[in-house]
Amino acid sequence: AQSVAQPEDQVNVAEGNPLTVKCTYSVSGNPYLFWYVQYPNRGLQFLLKYITGDNLVKGSYGFEAEFNKSQTSFHLKKPSALVSDSALYFCAVRPRVYNFNKFYFGSGTKLNVKP
Amino acid sequence: DVKVTQSSRYLVKRTGEKVFLECVQDMDHENMFWYRQDPGLGLRLIYFSYDVKMKEKGDIPEGYSVSREKKERFSLILESASTNQTSMYLCASSSRVREQETQYFGPGTRLLVL
Repeated sequence: AQSVAQPEDQVNVAEGNPLTVKCTYSVSGNPYLFWYVQYPNRGLQFLLKYITGDNLVKGSYGFEAEFNKSQTSFHLKKPSALVSDSALYFCAVRPRVYNFNKFYFGSGTKLNVKP
Repeated sequence: DVKVTQSSRYLVKRTGEKVFLECVQDMDHENMFWYRQDPGLGLRLIYFSYDVKMKEKGDIPEGYSVSREKKERFSLILESASTNQTSMYLCASSSRVREQETQYFGPGTRLLVL
């Protein structure tokens, strides 16, 4: 079965410190990988995606993500967290072949950045 | 600027009522999706449609139906609302041919069933 795991319900980090939000997946083939952010009472906003090539991809608001094929992981990172980064983050995966119309989402990780 | 709109941001309905949630996208996307979001459960797919008049059940279709009469519009219908359908409902769309593209989300509808 296709699945996406975000093992941490919540991540707490101090402002100015680096942050990591973890994501692993079990989806056949070499799927497309995405990160989204959700602020309270809003829809999801696209942050970044991995298609192919360099394992480190850069996205909006200073976020980046590291793809690791052998570990089937796609962790979200930021070198220096801001209080305004506090939000809910979702990892998502889209297969390249069978069932490629569907997106599979993780359960979300709440990021708390404290001043 | 791409846009997915949902007919209501907040709705309050009574148990047993028929509820319509409307979603419109202006990106000429083939795929449209309805999710519900509950704390601790992430996004769960209710239904999706990959073309006009086409639909497929997602993970939790019970108690819901959908309608896609026009490419830009995808409606979610709660035939007889129940309190356990109180939730945040998110509509999304994506291209079927440009598969590298992201899914685009609407702002969400927060539904309360009393």
